[in-house]
Amino acid sequence: QLVLTQSPSASASLGASVKLTCTLSNGQNNFVITWHQQQPEKGPRYLMKLNSDGSHTKGDGIPDRFSGSSSGAERFLTISGLQSEDEADYYCQTWDTGGYGVFGGGTKLTVL
Amino acid sequence: QVQLVESGGGVVQPGGSLRLSCAASGFTFRSSGMQWVRQAPGKGLEWVTFIRYDGNAQFYADSVKGRFTVSRDNSKNTLYLQMNSLRAEDTAIYYCAKAPAGSVDYWGQGRLVTVSS
Repeated sequence: QLVLTQSPSASASLGASVKLTCTLSNGQNNFVITWHQQQPEKGPRYLMKLNSDGSHTKGDGIPDRFSGSSSGAERFLTISGLQSEDEADYYCQTWDTGGYGVFGGGTKLTVL
Repeated sequence: QVQLVESGGGVVQPGGSLRLSCAASGFTFRSSGMQWVRQAPGKGLEWVTFIRYDGNAQFYADSVKGRFTVSRDNSKNTLYLQMNSLRAEDTAIYYCAKAPAGSVDYWGQGRLVTVSS
């Protein structure tokens, strides 16, 4: 069964950079994932699609401050030049070959 | 631009039924897979179901299998979620989402479903 693991929380200072991690289970190193942001009291927003080689395609209007990378079974979301509006929950998602989707548990990012 | 507008939902008693609709615009609906995703109060996102672009394949989370049915009308650019035998644990905001290759690239604004006596 496909599982995505995310740390429950992360924090970084205003203007700094932070790297969030999403780990695929069972060594599924070639899976594509997507990253989504959910600001407080709002619906989710698509950030990017991230391939196993680290190439990524961002959604409409997503700032250059957001980037993605990959290493083995790990998928990363890096936010540079943190702003207050980046304080949000961040989720990764993927799907298996059978058509079943799965989300990670989410990481709550606090901007200090 | 892409728009996904959900309707339906509300309050229902345990064991009852509800139907959600999602009107899509701004993209070629008949060419895109679609998903429903839900979020219980204070919890994370939970994948519920996926329907293929032509409606000929559907996949469900174990938690809703046999109770929920996803369908679509490509002539009306509309996605549906029929929810039967509702339980308290189905209480959540339900999001319609565009998912052309399995994972979401656009989200609707969400619709609250409350199952309570």
